[in-house]
Amino acid sequence: NAGVTQTPKFQVLKTGQSMTLQCAQDMNHNSMYWYRQDPGMGLRLIYYSASEGTTDKGEVPNGYNVSRLNKREFSLRLESAAPSQTSVYFCASSEGAGLNSPLHFGNGTRLTVT
Amino acid sequence: AQKITQTQPGMFVQEKEAVTLDCTYDTSDQSYGLFWYKQPSSGEMIFLIYQGSYDEQNATEGRYSLNFQKARKSANLVISASQLGDSAMYFCAMRGSFSSGGYQKVTFGTGTKLQVIP
Repeated sequence: NAGVTQTPKFQVLKTGQSMTLQCAQDMNHNSMYWYRQDPGMGLRLIYYSASEGTTDKGEVPNGYNVSRLNKREFSLRLESAAPSQTSVYFCASSEGAGLNSPLHFGNGTRLTVT
Repeated sequence: AQKITQTQPGMFVQEKEAVTLDCTYDTSDQSYGLFWYKQPSSGEMIFLIYQGSYDEQNATEGRYSLNFQKARKSANLVISASQLGDSAMYFCAMRGSFSSGGYQKVTFGTGTKLQVIP
């Protein structure tokens, strides 16, 4: 059972380049999320998708776009990468939005923007 | 708005001893869920334990228990009989606060790095 799969695991970009982080889950979960993790700041929500066909902004959406391609897949796009976007990115999913519904995480993508 | 505070950036514990990791939260919601996650040096995020705001008993999962004190707005993680494999970052998180879309977001604290000493 793969759970949440993120690609790529590592990426180096130059300032101004674009890229898309891919995420897929095989748990039939309705909700999906993108977080970034920076030292001393915990995990901060970039975007989330409560269900297929819907997306909404989190705490730090600037510089990012997302697409909920279908129930399984939720991608994160950086249109013009900036050094401030150097971070570890996590995709997560949950069965629903219930209070007792934990997040299940992918293994993360370590992105460096030079 | 909701906020999670973890005031211990780092902690040490002797192997086989118990350790408590602190977490306080702030929310205006009456209903909410509290979670703890473990992040080993390999980087993945592992769900450990859940506590609902209306649960009267503290949650337990194996060697993990959650000391929930609602009036103090605290949700401390207790790890009993520490093992070397418990060395990791630990994050407290909360689900609550409906967004304009009626969806509940999960907010994380900044984490506590636990090191277990042989």
